[in-house]
Amino acid sequence: QSALTQPPSASGSPGQPVTISCTGTSSDVGAYNYVSWYQQHPGKAPKVLIYEVSKRPSGVPDRFSGSKSGNTASLTVSGLQAEDEADYYCSSYAGSNNFPYVFGTGTKVTVL
Amino acid sequence: EVLLVQTGGGLIQPGGSLRLSCAASGFTVTNSYMGWVRQAPGKGLEWVSVIFIAGTTHYINSVKGRFTISKDSSKNTLFLQMNSLTVEDTALYFCVRAVPTASGYFDPWGQGTPVTVSS
Repeated sequence: QSALTQPPSASGSPGQPVTISCTGTSSDVGAYNYVSWYQQHPGKAPKVLIYEVSKRPSGVPDRFSGSKSGNTASLTVSGLQAEDEADYYCSSYAGSNNFPYVFGTGTKVTVL
Repeated sequence: EVLLVQTGGGLIQPGGSLRLSCAASGFTVTNSYMGWVRQAPGKGLEWVSVIFIAGTTHYINSVKGRFTISKDSSKNTLFLQMNSLTVEDTALYFCVRAVPTASGYFDPWGQGTPVTVSS
């Protein structure tokens, strides 16, 4: 199936909020509350920030939050910090009839 | 500590074969949903293959018939056998675990192992 659609880039000043969208279809994002978000710094493995649309694993700062409406999920960083400059990917479960997972196209977040 | 440590990979000529390994600690691979994700240079994340607890496997179309995912309970290790490699397979390969179920999120990730297919 096709990758979920994310904006290629987003930016904000320190302390400002930034929101990244993740648009899928009624077969993935719209069908399941199994959307997760990952942060990847250059040369590193991705790290989970959000799972099941809006839940945060322990250790993830509460400035990261997630939501979903219809076929579009969103990740919001409420107050950007320098260390938030990274690539962000969404992921959705897509059922068992085809390949069960799909990633988003990725968004590069720049802290101005 | 829950950890995945990858080995294998490297430089290989087109048409060649490689086997990637992913050793788990802190949990058992046979009781886990596991998979391989790759990232071509400068590109985004792409699923390659997954294997579920019951042994069900899935592959993306571009690797079907060429790649095989498997688990070894005695070594507590996940493998990806890659045959008939092409330049399009050049990427950094990560192993991952899905928690707590197949529809869950992915944690931990291996450190990544590079595969370069070039003549």
